[in-house]
Amino acid sequence: DAKTTQPTSMDCAEGRAANLPCNHSTISGNEYVYWYRQIHSQGPQYIIHGLKNNETNEMASLIITEDRKSSTLILPHATLRDTAVYYCIVRVALSSNTGKLIFGQGTTLQVKP
Amino acid sequence: GAGVSQTPSNKVTEKGKYVELRCDPISGHTALYWYRQSLGQGPEFLIYFQGTGAADDSGLPNDRFFAVRPEGSVSTLKIQRTERGDSAVYLCASSLKQGAEAFFGQGTRLTVV
Repeated sequence: DAKTTQPTSMDCAEGRAANLPCNHSTISGNEYVYWYRQIHSQGPQYIIHGLKNNETNEMASLIITEDRKSSTLILPHATLRDTAVYYCIVRVALSSNTGKLIFGQGTTLQVKP
Repeated sequence: GAGVSQTPSNKVTEKGKYVELRCDPISGHTALYWYRQSLGQGPEFLIYFQGTGAADDSGLPNDRFFAVRPEGSVSTLKIQRTERGDSAVYLCASSLKQGAEAFFGQGTRLTVV
């Protein structure tokens, strides 16, 4: 699975959009970009994933560059409850894949009032 | 709530003792994963079960660690001769099938004194 690079920490004002970047320059054609987050003292929570098209769900949007070497997770209206560590993970999403996740250090997002 | 349940939530044990950590996955989920998370780090993969069998145990650090899932549902992570370095949060996750979205439990915080 390809390696990802994320900033260690970021701040965001409550109510504003939080844009979390992730670099994955060695991503392969069959690898997806996954985002999970971990709120303090809880287990990680799935947010969203995508291959090459932009994706949106009720939690967030995922923007993947055309060359797929980087992506941005967007929380459109951040709240204090979005304060968490956000993990960007790249892996093959096939039924033959075990589904294990390789976590990096993630980005600690602090949403401030 | 029918989420992943882990017991106990906290466990303090003396160095050299044996411990068992339990995971109740979401009903019907065939895939089950164990991860370990040290302070300030992302979760680290330990072992993956598909049904009753351990399909990937490449993350187990040594032979003191063992896990079972005898009936394809509940899983137990067993640690023999615990060491202070085993202190961490042990996370369990399950998914409907291999490669699908993983749902995590709250974890068991193990402290070896």
